[in-house]
Amino acid sequence: EAGVTQFPSHSVIEKGQTVTLRCDPISGHDNLYWYRRVMGKEIKFLLHFVKESKQDESGMPNNRFLAERTGGTYSTLKVQPAELEDSGVYFCASSQTAIEQYFGPGTRLTVT
Amino acid sequence: QKEVEQNSGPLSVPEGAIASLNCTYSDRVSQSFFWYRQYSGKSPELIMSIYSNGDKEDGRFTAQLNKASQYVSLLIRDSQPSDSATYLCAVPSNFGNEKLTFGTGTRLTIIP
Repeated sequence: EAGVTQFPSHSVIEKGQTVTLRCDPISGHDNLYWYRRVMGKEIKFLLHFVKESKQDESGMPNNRFLAERTGGTYSTLKVQPAELEDSGVYFCASSQTAIEQYFGPGTRLTVT
Repeated sequence: QKEVEQNSGPLSVPEGAIASLNCTYSDRVSQSFFWYRQYSGKSPELIMSIYSNGDKEDGRFTAQLNKASQYVSLLIRDSQPSDSATYLCAVPSNFGNEKLTFGTGTRLTIIP
């Protein structure tokens, strides 16, 4: 069974540009989560999808972040326009039961 | 007070010894607790979950939970160099979506 995959693995963009991160969850997992780890801090929750619906987006930093989950399959997280403080590692996780979550390898975003 | 606290380390343990990792949490109603292992540049990997007071053993790993003291620990017996990683304590919310709150992680190094 394939695990959670994320693309790209690394992205370096300039301040003010747009970046879109993609996550493909484990097949059959209805729950999809986005988390972020900025340098020196703990991993923090961003939002949670159940199928295509946003269940909880309380962790989204501001309206420069937009997450979508097309047809309840893969998800994208767009940052527009990117700021320096958006740099970090963005993790996606999926879960069948909303209890045990399985993480992808992350996308390291660097905003210069 | 942080919601989930861990000693960031680094913690150095000789090969073959017992490594002890500790975590405290602030929410008294928390019911589930997870330990993730993260190798450098890799995804967090779920290695242990514990839901009841007491000990739970899985191979060389033992999780210990004391809800009265709001304390959860992970013991690694017969430590191996391959156990060198960052260990993350995670506690899900109790509001139905199970978003995880992480500690900052403890960096463990096993010395051959």
